[in-house]
Amino acid sequence: AQSVSQHNHHVILSEAASLELGCNYSYGGTVNLFWYVQYPGQHLQLLLKYFSGDPLVKGIKGFEAEFIKSKFSFNLRKPSVQWSDTAEYFCAVTLDSSNTGKLIFGQGTTLQVKP
Amino acid sequence: KAGVTQTPRYLIKTRGQQVTLSCSPISGHRSVSWYQQTPGQGLQFLFEYFSETQRNKGNFPGRFSGRQFSNSRSEMNVSTLELGDSALYLCASSSQGGSDTQYFGPGTRLTVL
Repeated sequence: AQSVSQHNHHVILSEAASLELGCNYSYGGTVNLFWYVQYPGQHLQLLLKYFSGDPLVKGIKGFEAEFIKSKFSFNLRKPSVQWSDTAEYFCAVTLDSSNTGKLIFGQGTTLQVKP
Repeated sequence: KAGVTQTPRYLIKTRGQQVTLSCSPISGHRSVSWYQQTPGQGLQFLFEYFSETQRNKGNFPGRFSGRQFSNSRSEMNVSTLELGDSALYLCASSSQGGSDTQYFGPGTRLTVL
């Protein structure tokens, strides 16, 4: 079965540190890739997405992600985190062949940024 | 545009009861998907509806069902509630489903006692 793995379950950083959250998926076909964020007490929001084209995608709030097809990876990065980035981050995929809105989520990574 | 709305926001039920949750998508969106979020299992896909038809279904028992109305509003129903059904139920809408971006509502927190 298709799956998404997020290797970092809980990350603690100081403000201004750089961030990289890992995401790998298991599916040999074409996928669409997403990163969602859930701030404390708020609903899931889209950070960025990749469908095709330039494998380096930029999202909101200074986040970016790189799709590496050979590694089945879509890692999220931010050069300098802020306290307000404290949240839970979810990587997700949809299978291009399915043509349905079934998002397959990773387990999530809780990011805690210390001021 | 108004976002995805879900009602009620909180529910407390007892085992054996049934519950109906409601979701109003973003205006113009025709696809509605439902997800269950728990600390142990994370976010799991329940089902997707598009133009009143269920287009995909996750790996949940038949106690979980849903429907979509002609105005794209959707409901999900859980019958014979079990303790393990306690979760945050999220609804997401998108324009056409598929690879379209899904926009999530705030969720309904269901507690089964």
